Amino acid sequence: KQEVTQIPAALSVPEGENLVLNCSFTDSAIYNLQWFRQDPGKGLTSLLLIQSSQREQTSGRLNASLDKSSGRSTLYIAASQPGDSATYLCAVVSSRGSYIPTFGRGTSLIVHP
Amino acid sequence: EPEVTQTPSHQVTQMGQEVILRCVPISNHLYFYWYRQILGQKVEFLVSFYNNEISEKSEIFDDQFSVERPDGSNFTLKIRSTKLEDSAMYFCASSIQIVQETQYFGPGTRLLVL
Repeated sequence: KQEVTQIPAALSVPEGENLVLNCSFTDSAIYNLQWFRQDPGKGLTSLLLIQSSQREQTSGRLNASLDKSSGRSTLYIAASQPGDSATYLCAVVSSRGSYIPTFGRGTSLIVHP
Repeated sequence: EPEVTQTPSHQVTQMGQEVILRCVPISNHLYFYWYRQILGQKVEFLVSFYNNEISEKSEIFDDQFSVERPDGSNFTLKIRSTKLEDSAMYFCASSIQIVQETQYFGPGTRLLVL
């Protein structure tokens, strides 16, 4: 059974710092991995989707990498801003027969001015 | 930009009552999903739906749950006899394809069972 772990659980940084959020998964047989942002009491906003054949994806100040063999993905946020404050979730879709995504608990990020 | 919408945003119900949560997926999407998130817990997959059939369902999605696409735009989740532990945020999502495409989530319905 796929297990997804996100470290750290919470992070508080001053504005302008570059950040790395980590996601690890136990089964490397995956179709894709998706990073989401969740604001308090709100839905999930997709940030980046990495297919199993890809090593990284970039969107603006965000860069996500995938190392399937080691079961890890990182989300890099450059020059963080207070508006980046949210919970960041990763979700993995395994390739072993079903397309059910498994979510991590998320990293709660606060960027203070 | 097209988005997934959900109604109601909040629902309070008594234990044992039936509830129907409604979703309007993005119009050209073919795959639809329901997830739930109990307060402070992980987002959990409930069910995926394609071509008027359930594609996948989790262990959570037992006989108390059902899904339907009653017309060309709506996608509903019905809970027949709610329990206290059904209290959660319920998210609908849609995607063009089931695996290789981004899933787009709605804002959620917060369900409170008393």
